[in-house]
Amino acid sequence: DGGITQSPKYLFRKEGQNVTLSCEQNLNHDAMYWYRQDPGQGLRLIYYSQIVNDFQKGDIAEGYSVSREKKESFPLTVTSAQKNPTAFYLCASIEGRGLGTEAFFGQGTRLTVV
Amino acid sequence: SQKIEQNSEALNIQEGKTATLTCNYTNYSPAYLQWYRQDPGRGPVFLLLIRENEKEKRKERLKVTFDTTLKQSLFHITASQPADSATYLCALDPYGGATNKLIFGTGTLLAVQP
Repeated sequence: DGGITQSPKYLFRKEGQNVTLSCEQNLNHDAMYWYRQDPGQGLRLIYYSQIVNDFQKGDIAEGYSVSREKKESFPLTVTSAQKNPTAFYLCASIEGRGLGTEAFFGQGTRLTVV
Repeated sequence: SQKIEQNSEALNIQEGKTATLTCNYTNYSPAYLQWYRQDPGRGPVFLLLIRENEKEKRKERLKVTFDTTLKQSLFHITASQPADSATYLCALDPYGGATNKLIFGTGTLLAVQP
C-alpha cells in the first residue's frame, strides 16, 4: 500500500539532546512537509521541500533542521536550540504537479521532553 | 501568528442538523482552499478542494463555498451524525498555488450529539 510512514510514534528527549524524526513516502510525491501541532491548535509549518536537495523554511523553523537527499525521505531533526519541542509532529506529502493537489499525512510522532 | 482563522470555540450540534464551519483568511489571494478532517492522535485526511473560480463544491453530505471577496470559505455537513465528530481544518497556499507551500487554519472541533 502506498502512503507515508512516520517513526517512531512516540519519542522522548532529554534536555539538550538532538533527536531525528523519520518520514518516508512511497507515493512518488515531489513535495514534502513537516508540521507541528500543539494541544488544541492547528498545524504550523516548520519546513517544506518541493524537490530533492531543496527545502524552504516555514513559519516556525527556528530550532529545527531538515534534509532531502532522496525523494522518498524527509527527516526532521529537533535540535537543542528548540526550547519547547514537546508537540505532535506531522509529515505530509503532495504530488506537486497539480494545482491544489491533496496532502497525504503520516500518523504523526508525539515528542516529549523529559 | 495564524493568518487563517477558524471558529476557535467548539461547535456542538444535535444529530441530524447541519453543521456550518467558517474559515477566514487575510492578506492572501489563494487559488484554492482545502478542507481536512482530523481525528484525535491521527494525521488529517483530505475532504474537499474548492478553486477560486468555483462558488460551491459538493461531495455526498459535504458542501463547501468560497467567497474570494469576503475572503471566506464555509464548510457544511448536512444530516450530521455522531461519527462526524472531529476537528476540521482548512488549508491554502498563500502564494496562489505557485509554491506548494500549504498552511493550515487553527481548526474547529465539531461535536455531534446523538
